Amino acid sequence: QVQLQESGPGLVKPSETLSLTCTVSGGFISSYYWSWIRQPPGKGLEWIGYFYYSESTKYNPSLKSRVTISVDTSKNQFSLKLSSVTAADTAVYYCARGGSSTWYRGRFDYWGQGTLVTVSS
Amino acid sequence: DIQMTQSPSSLSASVGDRVTITCQASQDISNYLNWYQQKPGKAPNLLIYDASTLETGVPSTFSGSGSGTDFTFTIASLQPEDVATYYCQHYDYPFTFGPGTKVDI
Repeated sequence: QVQLQESGPGLVKPSETLSLTCTVSGGFISSYYWSWIRQPPGKGLEWIGYFYYSESTKYNPSLKSRVTISVDTSKNQFSLKLSSVTAADTAVYYCARGGSSTWYRGRFDYWGQGTLVTVSS
Repeated sequence: DIQMTQSPSSLSASVGDRVTITCQASQDISNYLNWYQQKPGKAPNLLIYDASTLETGVPSTFSGSGSGTDFTFTIASLQPEDVATYYCQHYDYPFTFGPGTKVDI
């Protein structure tokens, strides 16, 4: 059974960089697309970006200038960095697994439980 | 970018009712559509992909249809455990989600 677990600080100051890690168990990180998705409190879902082992990364155009996703295959983890954060970046951040093919890269079948990150001084 | 809309934004129905949610894309997306269920405080759960294919383990009380720009999600007989927000999602880049439909009893 594939499991994903987000970890990282729950509070980030404005203008600083948000950093989160997703640890994957029960599956190989090199075989699928791995995404970050966020949800501001009481609002809808926004895809942030993905990593795929043989394709590298792709980001939401609205966040592209501030986002970096990287992977550590030795630890079966992938990470998110979001720079220059503001209060608008306050959200529950989820990591999720996409498909193993380009066709289904946006079909998110496994999700972490989510972690709330608040941007505040 | 393709925009996704859903209607209604919320609904209240009785146990046993048939519930229908619609999702509309701003341009033709073929059948590149997923439906998710999100219960309060939980991560979304994939119910349907390719507009009408039930994910493994999902009860057949849920169904989806449509192609092009207009899609429908149906709960055949609403149960208390179906209280949730339902999202459609275009599963091609940049993977845009609809705004959600909150279903209550």
